[in-house]
Amino acid sequence: AQKITQTQPGMFVQEKEAVTLDCTYDTSDPSYGLFWYKQPSSGEMIFLIYQGSYDQQNATEGRYSLNFQKARKSANLVISASQLGDSAMYFCAMRENAGNMLTFGGGTRLMVKP
Amino acid sequence: DVKVTQSSRYLVKRTGEKVFLECVQDMDHENMFWYRQDPGLGLRLIYFSYDVKMKEKGDIPEGYSVSREKKERFSLILESASTNQTSMYLCASRGPEGRLVNTEAFFGQGTRLTVV
Repeated sequence: AQKITQTQPGMFVQEKEAVTLDCTYDTSDPSYGLFWYKQPSSGEMIFLIYQGSYDQQNATEGRYSLNFQKARKSANLVISASQLGDSAMYFCAMRENAGNMLTFGGGTRLMVKP
Repeated sequence: DVKVTQSSRYLVKRTGEKVFLECVQDMDHENMFWYRQDPGLGLRLIYFSYDVKMKEKGDIPEGYSVSREKKERFSLILESASTNQTSMYLCASRGPEGRLVNTEAFFGQGTRLTVV
């Protein structure tokens, strides 16, 4: 079964607008972490933001915030004030306390329109 | 800054060749990983290593092997390359495990392998 699901293969957003990238996950481990990575066309994976399962508040890092809804098992990434440089693939990933590895979703390609 | 370096950005190999993909990290990380990335499938774990000479299979180990003789270097080996192994390969490393799961992984720039 898919542990991480990203249902939006591709999305467009107008420059300067906010956009939400969806991510749902599946785990029975009470302790886990959720990560978002950005992959520009150059190929490198850039870590954006982290949310722990026991964190009381939603994570924020600059223009990135994570809308964490634990009961719904969703961890959506919100990018505010989109910039042209935000055009990239975005991956949601999870690490369970019982494991050593990151499990990734299929990714969402975000395209920012000028 | 953490640096994870993969030896090649692009490789073209023939079917049946033995292929080595090399990855080196400079942060003394215990954990190293090899993923392959295919459109729509995201990143899938091939193998990982949590210490020198230690390795564990990931989700898709068939057709691959790995070697970790030194802490900083983790090699992915395609014993007999096949066309269905044409893909982007990403190496990652991560620091020591703690009680928390919040240690992010650092990635190399990727190797795009084409098997013809």
